[in-house]
Amino acid sequence: DVKVTQSSRYLVKRTGEKVFLECVQDMDHENMFWYRQDPGLGLRLIYFSYDVKMKEKGDIPEGYSVSREKKERFSLILESASTNQTSMYLCASSRDRAYEQYFGPGTRLTVT
Amino acid sequence: QKEVEQNSGPLSVPEGAIASLNCTYSDRGSQSFFWYRQYSGKSPELIMFIYSNGDKEDGRFTAQLNKASQYVSLLIRDSQPSDSATYLCAVINTGGFKTIFGAGTRLFVKA
Repeated sequence: DVKVTQSSRYLVKRTGEKVFLECVQDMDHENMFWYRQDPGLGLRLIYFSYDVKMKEKGDIPEGYSVSREKKERFSLILESASTNQTSMYLCASSRDRAYEQYFGPGTRLTVT
Repeated sequence: QKEVEQNSGPLSVPEGAIASLNCTYSDRGSQSFFWYRQYSGKSPELIMFIYSNGDKEDGRFTAQLNKASQYVSLLIRDSQPSDSATYLCAVINTGGFKTIFGAGTRLFVKA
C-alpha cells in the first residue's frame, strides 16, 4: 500500500511564526503536491514538485515556500503565518502527473 | 466558469437507491478523469478512474465519460449509509501537467 504521512494532524501557531509542514511518501513517487482545502473552495494547489530540488508554483503560492531535498520528503513552509492561512493542508504523491494521487491524512493548521 | 464543476449538494438518497453524481469540465483536451471519496475529517481516496468514452464498472460503482459533452459522472448502485461522503471529481488537463479538482458533492445516504 502507498503510504503518505504528514508530520502533524493538528497544529496551532501564532501569527508571524515560521511553520514547517512535513510530508513523507514511501512509494518512490516522482511527484509530490501540497494543497489546502477550505469549505466551499475545494482543493487548491499550493506547490508541486516533479523531482528532487525541483518545484513549481500552483494556484496559490503566495505566503508559502517548499523544499524537496530528498525524493521521499516534501516540506511546506509558511514563512510568516497569518490567520488567513488557517486551513486543512493535504500532501499527495503520484507516480506521474497524469496518474492518481495518494493523499496523506492532512494537517489542520490554526493560526491565532 | 470553473474548470471543473460539481453540484455541492447535499444529495440525499435512501439506502438501496442509485446515487448519481455529476461533473462537467471546461478543458476539451482533458484525457484522464478520477473520482475520489472523502469522508468527513479524512483525506481523499481514489475510487474510480476513466480514460475512454463510455462506462467503466467496478463493483457498485460505475464511472461514465462523455468527452463530446465534457461530462463525467459516477453512479453508486445499492447505496449504503457508509457511502455518505463528499465525492471529488478530478480532471487532468491538456498536456497532462495538472490535476484540477472540483469542489465536491456531498452525498448523504439515509438508512
